[in-house]
Amino acid sequence: ETGVTQTPRHLVMGMTNKKSLKCEQHLGHNAMYWYKQSAKKPLELMFVYSLEERVENNSVPSRFSPECPNSSHLFLHLHTLQPEDSALYLCASSQDRTSVYGYTFGSGTRLTVV
Amino acid sequence: GEDVEQSLFLSVREGDSSVINCTYTDSSSTYLYWYKQEPGAGLQLLTYIFSNMDMKQDQRLTVLLNKKDKHLSLRIADTQTGDSAIYFCAESHSGGYQKVTFGTGTKLQVIP
Repeated sequence: ETGVTQTPRHLVMGMTNKKSLKCEQHLGHNAMYWYKQSAKKPLELMFVYSLEERVENNSVPSRFSPECPNSSHLFLHLHTLQPEDSALYLCASSQDRTSVYGYTFGSGTRLTVV
Repeated sequence: GEDVEQSLFLSVREGDSSVINCTYTDSSSTYLYWYKQEPGAGLQLLTYIFSNMDMKQDQRLTVLLNKKDKHLSLRIADTQTGDSAIYFCAESHSGGYQKVTFGTGTKLQVIP
């Protein structure tokens, strides 16, 4: 158990569907992140939340919509995705945005868009 | 912008030492990390080193930092089959919010 839990582990969705990815941490961390991991590409930072406030949106298309209702939970709402959005979506947390001691990652959600 | 480069693949025999290399371009990098990703899992922080250090050792892991050449390496002694995974190098720099840049990862295959 890594301390960061992501659900579902796998998701297949059509291009017209709406779905949500969930991330939960009980480490007492104040910063949470969404990353996209595609084959043979560096991890792409999508969104950063610090104390439930979005502090960074890395030019992500509006078909991805994050939500952070409290410091323990982070969601990624998906709608009208494209096949190229198929990837592993990783959630991570850290003590705070200035923490230098690295991130704790979840196991990810493997998303396939058909 | 910042860039972190790694070779894609490394194959070693069980019991040998593995050395995974990484180069980075940001001269202001202050913190450097190694993460491990096993199949079907997220990234797990293995170790980190600050730029004022040349070396850090933690059991079977040795991290070497050459700041002049912007080169970081991870040595795994007595490599085991359980070490088979993808290893990511990452860097960030000080000054306000941390922005971490990851490499593409090196897939380590350990042959029994």
